[in-house]
Amino acid sequence: ETGVTQTPRHLVMGMTNKKSLKCEQHLGHNAMYWYKQSAKKPLELMFVYNFKEQTENNSVPSRFSPECPNSSHLFLHLHTLQPEDSALYLCASSQASGGYNEQFFGPGTRLTVL
Amino acid sequence: KQEVTQIPAALSVPEGENLVLNCSFTDSAIYNLQWFRQDPGKGLTSLLLIQSSQREQTSGRLNASLDKSSGRSTLYIAASQPGDSATYLCAVYNQGGKLIFGQGTELSVKP
Repeated sequence: ETGVTQTPRHLVMGMTNKKSLKCEQHLGHNAMYWYKQSAKKPLELMFVYNFKEQTENNSVPSRFSPECPNSSHLFLHLHTLQPEDSALYLCASSQASGGYNEQFFGPGTRLTVL
Repeated sequence: KQEVTQIPAALSVPEGENLVLNCSFTDSAIYNLQWFRQDPGKGLTSLLLIQSSQREQTSGRLNASLDKSSGRSTLYIAASQPGDSATYLCAVYNQGGKLIFGQGTELSVKP
């Protein structure tokens, strides 16, 4: 256990559905991240939040909408997704968003878009 | 733009062998380098983190080295076991805190 939890662990949704992924960290960290891992591709950073403020959006389509209500919780709201969005979505947290701060990863949510 | 490359992409060895996984990166201006393990369909398990001022880190049968000037890191696994079978990911921490991953080495240790 890394102190970072993600729910749900598996999600199947249709292209017209709206769903949300949740991440919670119990480490007292101030930075949280969303990553996407598609088959046979390296992990890609999607969003970074530092002290609840979004500091990075890595050209992610607007059908992915992040929300960070406090430093312990991070959501990824999904709507009108495409089948190519099927992937493992990983959340991470760190003390702050600087380069010296180790990131701790959650177990991921396996998303399948039909 | 930082790029991380891992060689080989896949490796199959008999149980008991010592093995080396390689990682290279194009920009030596990194803060830390971290090795992760990922089991199929699962999240990431941190194995070793090497700070930029360090040359190596050890944990049990694992030893990771870092040569920033040449842009290389190696993960040495001693006396491999079937339970070591997984994908091993190398990642570097760039300035600004971005974590850049390689594509991984898929390791299979045969009994």
